[in-house]
Amino acid sequence: GESVGLHLPTLSVQEGDNSIINCAYSNSASDYFIWYKQESGKGPQFIIDIRSNMDKRQGQRVTVLLNKTVKHLSLQIAATQPGDSAVYFCAENPGYSTLTFGKGTMLLVSP
Amino acid sequence: ETGVTQTPRHLVMGMTNKKSLKCEQHLGHNAMYWYKQSAKKPLELMFVYNFKEQTENNSVPSRFSPECPNSSHLFLHLHTLQPEDSALYLCASSHGSNQPQHFGDGTRLSIL
Repeated sequence: GESVGLHLPTLSVQEGDNSIINCAYSNSASDYFIWYKQESGKGPQFIIDIRSNMDKRQGQRVTVLLNKTVKHLSLQIAATQPGDSAVYFCAENPGYSTLTFGKGTMLLVSP
Repeated sequence: ETGVTQTPRHLVMGMTNKKSLKCEQHLGHNAMYWYKQSAKKPLELMFVYNFKEQTENNSVPSRFSPECPNSSHLFLHLHTLQPEDSALYLCASSHGSNQPQHFGDGTRLSIL
């Protein structure tokens, strides 16, 4: 999993498996969280967001879970595909004007 | 297409050159951002503009000079850069601080 400020971890999965990418955030005042996907040579792409009044939100093949008690955020990708291979990182809004980003987790999907 | 276009995609320049990076967003957003992305480091916020007004300068050296002529365009003027400034420079836009930021594909900058 990922924590803001640590080395970039890697998650390797087989095609069709479910993937879980974790993020530990630091600021208990954060009330808005986003997951981004960044493919090689491209900018970060918005995947899904969640606000602190929710603990779960689902999108297409993705689910974000928020545990405010332990300041933990996770991204679940169902039926992972080779096209999901990328760096995934979370971002939090601690109530200031801007987002704070983590370093990211590399997801490698094998056919 | 993300709705945020950055040009050029690649730029190689010497330390004494002057160049500019351009960003244009077609999303109707009122906030625009410049970020620096270096290998194995989190995105570093450089500047924030809201409704064309600079609202944040994250202790960026003066050799980086932003310009926001309107809510759709953002520039980053570069002058006398250092080798450690080589990085991917990303532009983003959003409706506000608690809304998703949408990124361009960046300018890969190399300083010789």
